[in-house]
Amino acid sequence: GAVVSQHPSRVICKSGTSVKIECRSLDFQATTMFWYRQFPKKSLMLMATSNEGSKATYEQGVEKDKFLINHASLTLSTLTVTSAHPEDSSFYICSTPGTSTYEQYFGPGTRLTVT
Amino acid sequence: DAKTTQPTSMDCAEGRAANLPCNHSTISGNEYVYWYRQIHSQGPQYIIHGLKNNETNEMASLIITEDRKSSTLILPHATLRDTAVYYCIVRVATNTGNQFYFGTGTSLTVIP
Repeated sequence: GAVVSQHPSRVICKSGTSVKIECRSLDFQATTMFWYRQFPKKSLMLMATSNEGSKATYEQGVEKDKFLINHASLTLSTLTVTSAHPEDSSFYICSTPGTSTYEQYFGPGTRLTVT
Repeated sequence: DAKTTQPTSMDCAEGRAANLPCNHSTISGNEYVYWYRQIHSQGPQYIIHGLKNNETNEMASLIITEDRKSSTLILPHATLRDTAVYYCIVRVATNTGNQFYFGTGTSLTVIP
């Protein structure tokens, strides 16, 4: 099956700084990628849909100026958490439908801790 | 918003079958039912999906009721490594992609 990687797997940053998380599709071209956020003991919450070459579509309640998404190539989407605060500490996961409309492949996730 | 409801938690004895129910009473005719699981601090792992027929693969079986308003995931011989949160998801297909909206999931604990 398709493989999706994320980098970094863990990151700790200070409040007020920005953090970039990368999501890569390793053996296929991903025109669409999804970004999720998961708080401890909670379910995954869809944040946005990232489309290669166009602006991301954000879910209701997600601040597009705070969570910047760039999908500049068919294998890479990035999520930048700007001016991070402790409440942004979460597990961020990306996914992509891959080459089939019936499946969705998830990355291993990135644990962000803002101190 | 998620279109599924699942029990919050379940226990299962090792070696026995684990039956995880899911209600999706508002499912549309062209929406699939997917099951994923998530082991702590990892990305979700695909298990199985189906439309209206029962499905089986090397991991599990999926039983969908005739009216499609509910389904059951069956792990035939649960092992300790099957301890995870299991998500039942109804796929919403849009022109921007096939978003998955996760519900609360069922936390399955396999007991030795």
